[in-house]
Amino acid sequence: DIVMTQSPDSLAVSLGERATINCKSSQNLLYSSNNKNYLAWYQQKPGLPPKLLIYWASTRESGVPDRFSGSGSGTDFTLTISSLQAEDVAVYYCQQYYTPPYNFGQGTKLEIK
Amino acid sequence: QVQLVESGGGVVQPGRSLRVSCAASGFTFSIYAMHWVRQAPGKGLEWVAVISYDGSNKYYGDSVKGRFTISRDNSKSTLYLQMNSLRPDDTAVYYCARTDGYYHPFDFWGQGTLVTVSS
Repeated sequence: DIVMTQSPDSLAVSLGERATINCKSSQNLLYSSNNKNYLAWYQQKPGLPPKLLIYWASTRESGVPDRFSGSGSGTDFTLTISSLQAEDVAVYYCQQYYTPPYNFGQGTKLEIK
Repeated sequence: QVQLVESGGGVVQPGRSLRVSCAASGFTFSIYAMHWVRQAPGKGLEWVAVISYDGSNKYYGDSVKGRFTISRDNSKSTLYLQMNSLRPDDTAVYYCARTDGYYHPFDFWGQGTLVTVSS
């Protein structure tokens, strides 16, 4: 099984500052035949289901603000929020969809400093 | 608009069975693969199972293999999860989610239904 490990587990950032969350997979998520990384990022606010933010490691889902961006390839990935807003307080998860089981990272709790 | 509405959760004793459902609307249910994902109270997300668009292929997570069965009725646009031999560590909110094929992100999620396994 592919293990997904996020860092840090929690993060406190001032409003307007940059937030960076890392995700490492135990296996390569880059499929050579289409040059796509099978990696997604989700945002979950309290009491709500997860919401897809980023897929193929760097493609923003429709309606997601452009302050959210994803980068990385292979086994190392990053979610960046360029200028933190109050509404971004949430838990963020990375997930691989390269092969079942479609494991998630353990989550990173983002708070305001 | 796309909707996924889970139902059937509740309190059940250890060792008993329960079936949860996910009613879909607002999209062509029969062309999407569907998943169950669960979240224990205060914990992270755990993928449970997937079923192909036509029900011909299924995969399960190791923690539920042999105890849970995923199924679908495309005529009713409904996804099911039959849970047998329930254990206290199966206590969680169960979400259904759709994907455009096996190897795609989970682009829409239901609100979830809480299953509590307790004596």
